[in-house]
Amino acid sequence: AQTVTQSQPEMSVQEAETVTLSCTYDTSESDYYLFWYKQPPSRQMILVIRQEAYKQQNATENRFSVNFQKAAKSFSLKISDSQLGDAAMYFCAYRSAFNNNDMRFGAGTRLTVKP
Amino acid sequence: ETGVTQSPTHLIKTRGQQVTLRCSSQSGHNTVSWYQQALGQGPQFIFQYYREEENGRGNFPPRFSGLQFPNYSSELNVNALELDDSALYLCASSHIDRNYGYTFGSGTRLTVV
Repeated sequence: AQTVTQSQPEMSVQEAETVTLSCTYDTSESDYYLFWYKQPPSRQMILVIRQEAYKQQNATENRFSVNFQKAAKSFSLKISDSQLGDAAMYFCAYRSAFNNNDMRFGAGTRLTVKP
Repeated sequence: ETGVTQSPTHLIKTRGQQVTLRCSSQSGHNTVSWYQQALGQGPQFIFQYYREEENGRGNFPPRFSGLQFPNYSSELNVNALELDDSALYLCASSHIDRNYGYTFGSGTRLTVV
């Protein structure tokens, strides 16, 4: 079974600086999708960025980018120019390309942004 | 384009009771997935519905059941509530043929006393 591991329960960053959140996953499949979701105190999970495993190019969405290392099964999220509104729980998630009915989540990383 | 809405937002039930949670999916989506998120943990997959039938299930007992209606809205039913069922229940919708990730609602916070 696929598992997702986030080894950093909490991270802290100074406003305007850069922070990287780590995620590793375990799978025997060759095609899948990886996601980073943000969950603010409002509780709604918001999609931050998405990566398709067959694409070698790392995904980028404005200040958010990923470092996808398929061989190492690593999928880290880099937040540049951190803003106070980035403070939230961040979840890494995996979904098979062959079975899209089960998205697996990591335990999350709580990000604090200091002014 | 409407998002995913869930009701109620908060609920308190007594152990042994039954509860029904509701979810309206995003316009254009045809699957609904339910997740349980215990405090301080990541969401755990309960099940997904597609074409009004269960389309995959996580490691949850049969007392967790669901329905999907022709308008793609959904219900999660939990019978014989236990204290450990206290959690945030998240509903997420998607389109079966697209891989853009799920759209989540804001969840229902269930407390079992």
